[in-house]
Amino acid sequence: QVQLVESGGGVVQPGGSLRLSCAASGFTLSTYGMHWVRQAPGKGLEWVAFIRYDESYTYYTDSVKGRFTISRDNSKNTLYLQMSSLRAEDTALYYCAKAIVGSTWSPFDYWGQGTLVTVSS
Amino acid sequence: EIVLTQSPGTLSLSPGERATLSCRASQSVGSSYLAWYQQKPGQAPRLLIYGASSRATAIPDRFSGSGSGTDFTLTISRLEPEDFAVYYCQQFGTSPWTFGQGTKVEI
Repeated sequence: QVQLVESGGGVVQPGGSLRLSCAASGFTLSTYGMHWVRQAPGKGLEWVAFIRYDESYTYYTDSVKGRFTISRDNSKNTLYLQMSSLRAEDTALYYCAKAIVGSTWSPFDYWGQGTLVTVSS
Repeated sequence: EIVLTQSPGTLSLSPGERATLSCRASQSVGSSYLAWYQQKPGQAPRLLIYGASSRATAIPDRFSGSGSGTDFTLTISRLEPEDFAVYYCQQFGTSPWTFGQGTKVEI
């Protein structure tokens, strides 16, 4: 069955960096677009970044542009989110999510359980 | 950016009752690129409805979606105890993908 398992979260100081990973199994990662979505404690869902199945393009929410980079290694069935210049407002549970079909414009049918990022001095 | 506004913020109902949740978009969501998710405490969101009215895999038929353009509705025909949760609408037709702020359905 489809599984997404995030890792790499932790406590980091403002201005620091962190790399999140999302290990995918049960499907062929190379044929689906993938997303990162975050949820601040007690708050709603915020989409963060998208990468097309073939890595030909990426999208980011404005607040992370220039600081976060989404990437994927289809040979390792793994999605990444490199985060730098972290701010307190980046504190959240970070989910990876799979697009339901290969199209860029599709909803998310599977989500991981999330990895918590806390930015604090 | 398409802003999605959900109402009400909280819906207080009893098991067996009908729930009607609203999602209004700041501009037209082309070709019904609208989805609904359910999230329970400590869990990841779960896809319920996409394309405004298509149920995702294994979603019971008491959940239904409707609407087009800028106004969308999620209806739960008869609430079961496991349906008490937070519900989010999402548009996936343009970047940035956006979510509504959520509607909490509580007992």
